[in-house]
Amino acid sequence: AQSVTQLGSHVSVSEGALVLLRCNYSSSVPPYLFWYVQYPNQGLQLLLKYTSAATLVKGINGFEAEFKKSETSFHLTKPSAHMSDAAEYFCAVRSQGNLIFGKGTKLSVKP
Amino acid sequence: DSGVTQTPKHLITATGQRVTLRCSPRSGDLSVYWYQQSLDQGLQFLIQYYNGEERAKGNILERFSAQQFPDLHSELNLSSLELGDSALYFCASSEGTDYGYTFGSGTRLTVV
Repeated sequence: AQSVTQLGSHVSVSEGALVLLRCNYSSSVPPYLFWYVQYPNQGLQLLLKYTSAATLVKGINGFEAEFKKSETSFHLTKPSAHMSDAAEYFCAVRSQGNLIFGKGTKLSVKP
Repeated sequence: DSGVTQTPKHLITATGQRVTLRCSPRSGDLSVYWYQQSLDQGLQFLIQYYNGEERAKGNILERFSAQQFPDLHSELNLSSLELGDSALYFCASSEGTDYGYTFGSGTRLTVV
């Protein structure tokens, strides 16, 4: 079965610093991978998706992720954090038509 | 507004009771998915419907059931509620292709 593992349940960065949220996948077939963001008291919003086209995927709000097959990774990055980026981020893999989510990483941004 | 509508937003009920959560998918989306989000279990896939038919089942308890109606809205029925059923319940919809899902804002269920 396909799965994703998010390393670090909490990440704290300073405003303006690089954001790096880690996700590793386990899949026996080329995966479809996703990053979602959840702001407090809201649903999940799609940030970006990888569907076997370009390995560097650009998403909304300045986020991007790079698919690395050799490392089975799909890490999410943003060059410069904003206070508004504080939220919980979920990596997900499509498995048998459904999305399987990681445990999530809560991002805090310090002024 | 994501286009996926969930009602009610909040629900407080007693143990042993039964509740129904409702979801209207985004216009044109044929697939509906239900997820449960809790602090200890994270986001758990419950069940999927596609154009009125059950397509996949995840970690859904026997006390829970769902259906999708001809107008494509879906209902999740939770019965014999226990304290541990307290969670956020999300509905999501998709066109049924490999695109990501669109999530509703969820129903927060509190069982007391």
